[in-house]
Amino acid sequence: RKEVEQDPGPFNVPEGATVAFNCTYSNSASQSFFWYRQDCRKEPKLLMSVYSSGNEDGRFTAQLNRASQYISLLIRDSKLSDSATYLCVVNMGPGRRALTFGSGTRLQVQP
Amino acid sequence: DTGVSQDPRHKITKRGQNVTFRCDPISEHNRLYWYRQTLGQGPEFLTYFQNEAQLEKSRLLSDRFSAERPKGSFSTLEIQRTEQGDSAMYLCASSAHRGADTEAFFGQGTRLTVV
Repeated sequence: RKEVEQDPGPFNVPEGATVAFNCTYSNSASQSFFWYRQDCRKEPKLLMSVYSSGNEDGRFTAQLNRASQYISLLIRDSKLSDSATYLCVVNMGPGRRALTFGSGTRLQVQP
Repeated sequence: DTGVSQDPRHKITKRGQNVTFRCDPISEHNRLYWYRQTLGQGPEFLTYFQNEAQLEKSRLLSDRFSAERPKGSFSTLEIQRTEQGDSAMYLCASSAHRGADTEAFFGQGTRLTVV
């Protein structure tokens, strides 16, 4: 089983749609959680951190469910520019300083 | 440009040759990471430095791979006796030492093709 699992997609949605991605992680001791965005042939960039109480940044909402060990990302009012791969990223806990990435979920927003 | 810098951006090499990549992190960042990414996959962790100390290595890192960060600034990743399976994007990232909840900034990567 992978340490961080995501549905690879692709998710094809029309502009203006709401889309949600989920991600599960294997280590219950994981300490911190992020969503990164990666455009085609570019490096990953931080989209947002994920906090226990849930957090929002404009059209993006991230939630964490520690009991079920999953993280979600909700994108409202999708824009063409949201088309990218969204990477679920976890710091796996004590002794593991590096971030562990999921394989990513590809989103294609269509006009 | 004050971001993470990697050199070269592209490298084509023949199987069996050695290659070396360089990463210059953001200047005030003391943490440096190497990742490898293949098509359709997320970045896979290879190794991690805090200052000049290599504190963590992935099981993926065979004895053909070696990384250094001699003065706690730039880092090099060397692959000896390259194999076709080594073809991938090699990404370097750096972060400041602010606990677990800290953003990692990535360079644009070095794309390696082994022919």
